[in-house]
Amino acid sequence: DIQMTQSPSSLSASVGDRVTITCRASQSISIYLNWYQQKPGNPPKLLIYASSSLQSGVPSRFRGSGSGTDFALTISSLQVEDFGTYFCQQSYSNPRVTFGGGTKVEI
Amino acid sequence: QVQLVESGGGVVQPGRSLRLSCAASGFTFSNYAMHWVRQAPGRGLEWVAVISSDGTNKFYADSVKGRFTISRDNSKNTLSLQMNSLTAEDTAVYYCARDTSVVASYCFDYWGQGTLVPVSS
Repeated sequence: DIQMTQSPSSLSASVGDRVTITCRASQSISIYLNWYQQKPGNPPKLLIYASSSLQSGVPSRFRGSGSGTDFALTISSLQVEDFGTYFCQQSYSNPRVTFGGGTKVEI
Repeated sequence: QVQLVESGGGVVQPGRSLRLSCAASGFTFSNYAMHWVRQAPGRGLEWVAVISSDGTNKFYADSVKGRFTISRDNSKNTLSLQMNSLTAEDTAVYYCARDTSVVASYCFDYWGQGTLVPVSS
C-alpha cells in the first residue's frame, strides 16, 4: 500500500498566520490527493480534491498544491474556526486508498 | 441538503456480528458510489469498502475482506455494512461517505456523523 506521511503531526499558530502542512506519498500518485479537515466529535470535511481544486463552500484561504509525491495544504491567514485535524488521502491506488496520520492544528 | 445518517452501532462481543445502516437523503442516491470509512478511537482514518452506484461492483480493504459485506438498496436510499467475526481491531467509529462520482473516485464529499462499534467482551 502507498504510505502517506504528514508533517508536522501538530502545530500551534496564531490568528492571521500562514500555515503549511505537508504530505508525502511513498510513490508517485500524480495529483490524486485530497485534503480533509476534522473537528472533534465530527466527521471529516472535504477541503481540497485533486491536489489543488477547492471544494464548493470552502474558503479561498485554503490552497492545495503539489504533484507526484510531495503535496502541501496552505492556510493563507489562519482563522479561529480552522482548528482541528487535517488529513491527506491518496485516491491513486484505488481501491487501496490510504490516509495520512493527520496534523493537529491548534490556535 | 445532503444527509447521511448511520445506525446500528453498539457494543458487540468478539466473534459476533453486527449490521450497520446508512440512510441517505437530499440527493439522488442511485447516482453515486458509496463507501464505509472507519476511525479507531484517537486514531486515523481507514477506508473499509465501496459499492458502485448500481450495486454491482464492491471492493474491500484487506483487513475486512471475507468478513464484511457492503450492500445498498437504491429503492430505499439505504447503504448497509454486514460485519461478521468481529475482533477488537474492528473497534471504531464507522462513517458512511458519498463518493464525488457515479464511478468511484475514492474522494468523499459528504460524510455521516458516524456510529461507534466497540468490540469487547
